[in-house]
Amino acid sequence: EVQLVESGGGLVQLGGSLRLSCVASGFMFSRDWMAWVRQAPGKGLEWLAMIRGDGNERGSVDSVEGRFTISRDNAKNSLYLQMNNLRAEDTAVYYCARGWLGTFDIWGQGTMLTVSS
Amino acid sequence: QSALTQPRSVSGSPGQSVTISCNGSSSDVGAYNYISWYQHHPGKAPKDIICDVTKRLSGVPDRFSGSKSGSTASLTISGLRADDEADYYCSSYAGSNIYVFGTGTKVTVL
Repeated sequence: EVQLVESGGGLVQLGGSLRLSCVASGFMFSRDWMAWVRQAPGKGLEWLAMIRGDGNERGSVDSVEGRFTISRDNAKNSLYLQMNNLRAEDTAVYYCARGWLGTFDIWGQGTMLTVSS
Repeated sequence: QSALTQPRSVSGSPGQSVTISCNGSSSDVGAYNYISWYQHHPGKAPKDIICDVTKRLSGVPDRFSGSKSGSTASLTISGLRADDEADYYCSSYAGSNIYVFGTGTKVTVL
């Protein structure tokens, strides 16, 4: 079964750090671009970052550049998002998704992050 | 990297058609044909329904159609059904391994 399962969300203090994980199954993970997308409460989807199958190319949105780092471990079929210096506005559901021919065709169910003071 | 602009909401009666616009710029929608549309029911994973401006993903009924003119993309839902009620988002490639989503549109079936 084709599947993405996120984990690692929770409650974090302002300024804290957290690493989200996403485990893939049912497709050739190492071949594909992977991305992180988030949705803050009451807001729309926001694309955050993307990484190529071999890990050698990345892209990320300016608003998280320098604070969030996308990475992957193809041996573990896993995608990661290291988040540092967390702010209240980072509170959101975080989704991982597969990038395929210009679209995002496989999505996880999401993991919730709450940043609290 | 500004979000693409969509109407906050659209509505229609069952059987009617609705069109959702997605306004971008010459750096994203106007520059690339990597335009996708997603259907998102709250609490569930988003589902891609249209890619490459006009291509329906497998299993998506032909009531859903996409188009683009200049820096504006559009999604039309014909023969509106109750289960079409959801949030819809466009997305576009913006170059340099960056994508941008639209602000989202809530479709209400009256």
